[in-house]
Amino acid sequence: NAGVTQTPKFRILKIGQSMTLQCTQDMNHNYMYWYRQDPGMGLKLIYYSVGAGITDKGEVPNGYNVSRSTTEDFPLRLELAAPSQTSVYFCASSYGSPNEKLFFGSGTQLSVL
Amino acid sequence: QQPVQSPQAVILREGEDAVINCSSSKALYSVHWYRQKHGEAPVFLMILLKGGEQKGHEKISASFNEKKQQSSLYLTASQLSYSGTYFCGTEGTSGSRLTFGEGTQLTVNP
Repeated sequence: NAGVTQTPKFRILKIGQSMTLQCTQDMNHNYMYWYRQDPGMGLKLIYYSVGAGITDKGEVPNGYNVSRSTTEDFPLRLELAAPSQTSVYFCASSYGSPNEKLFFGSGTQLSVL
Repeated sequence: QQPVQSPQAVILREGEDAVINCSSSKALYSVHWYRQKHGEAPVFLMILLKGGEQKGHEKISASFNEKKQQSSLYLTASQLSYSGTYFCGTEGTSGSRLTFGEGTQLTVNP
């Protein structure tokens, strides 16, 4: 049982480049989330989805876009990468409402230079 | 509003106890606790719903005082494997998004 799978694990981008962080889960979870974690800090919610076709902004959505065409996949798109987007990105999922256990992926370490 | 965790860091010797606190300026519906080891993803420990219940996970337990809008995580007879950063996440109303604190770094030495 794979759980939540994120790719890539590491990536270096130049300022202004774009990329997509992939996230897929095989637990048939309805809710999916994208968090970013800056060094020594907590998790900040970027976007979340309550089901296929439904997405909404979190605390720090600027500079990012998401889509949820299937229950399994929740990619995060970075447009025009900036140094402020250097961070570790975690995808997570939960079966039901947000007050249920979150399952996290292993993270993507992104550097924008 | 982001919950405030204290202390920011704590160093223990194996077998010692520790308490990590999580406080919010707003009413809470639930508090979640996660542990993250260096370079890894956060791992779920427990959820506490309003009602003041106390939960346990091995020798780690937690309480939730909804009147004081705070939760405490108790680590008893700490083991080396307890080392990591502990995060609390708070939910203001049922169904709202979790807001995480900045974490408490716990180091357990032999």
